[in-house]
Amino acid sequence: ETGVTQTPRHLVMGMTNKKSLKCEQHLGHNAMYWYKQSAKKPLELMFVYSLEERVENNSVPSRFSPECPNSSHLFLHLHTLQPEDSALYLCASSQESGSTEAFFGQGTRLTVV
Amino acid sequence: KQEVTQIPAALSVPEGENLVLNCSFTDSAIYNLQWFRQDPGKGLTSLLLIQSSQREQTSGRLNASLDKSSGRSTLYIAASQPGDSATYLCAVMGYSSASKIIFGSGTRLSIRP
Repeated sequence: ETGVTQTPRHLVMGMTNKKSLKCEQHLGHNAMYWYKQSAKKPLELMFVYSLEERVENNSVPSRFSPECPNSSHLFLHLHTLQPEDSALYLCASSQESGSTEAFFGQGTRLTVV
Repeated sequence: KQEVTQIPAALSVPEGENLVLNCSFTDSAIYNLQWFRQDPGKGLTSLLLIQSSQREQTSGRLNASLDKSSGRSTLYIAASQPGDSATYLCAVMGYSSASKIIFGSGTRLSIRP
């Protein structure tokens, strides 16, 4: 248990559905991240929130919409996804200063049908 | 733009051998470097964190070194065991306020009994 909890662990959704991924940490960290891990590709940084403000958006399609209502919670809202969006979505947290470890959740395995 | 490379992409060795995994990065202006382990379909588990001012860190049978000037890190695993089989990921955290964590593509390690 890393202290970062992601729900759900598995999600199957149709291309017209709207769903949300949730990430929660109670480590006192003030930076949170969404990563996408596709088969045989490096982890791709999607979004970074620092002190509840989005500071990084790596050219992610608008069908992915992040939300950080407070420093302990991070959401990824999904709508009209494509089959190629099927992947493992990982959330992480750390201190914004960068001097501490990053801790990852177990991920949400997303399948778009 | 920071790029992280891990060599080899895959490695299979018999149980009991000592082995070295390599990681290189293009921008030496980093806060820290972190080694992770990922079991299939699971999240990332932090193994070792090396601050930019440090040269190495040890935990049990694992030893990680950092040579910031040459942009290299190694993860040494002593007396390998079948339970060490996993994908090992190297990640660097930069100095930008976004504190981005950039990953290599990983080394898939298989330890044969």
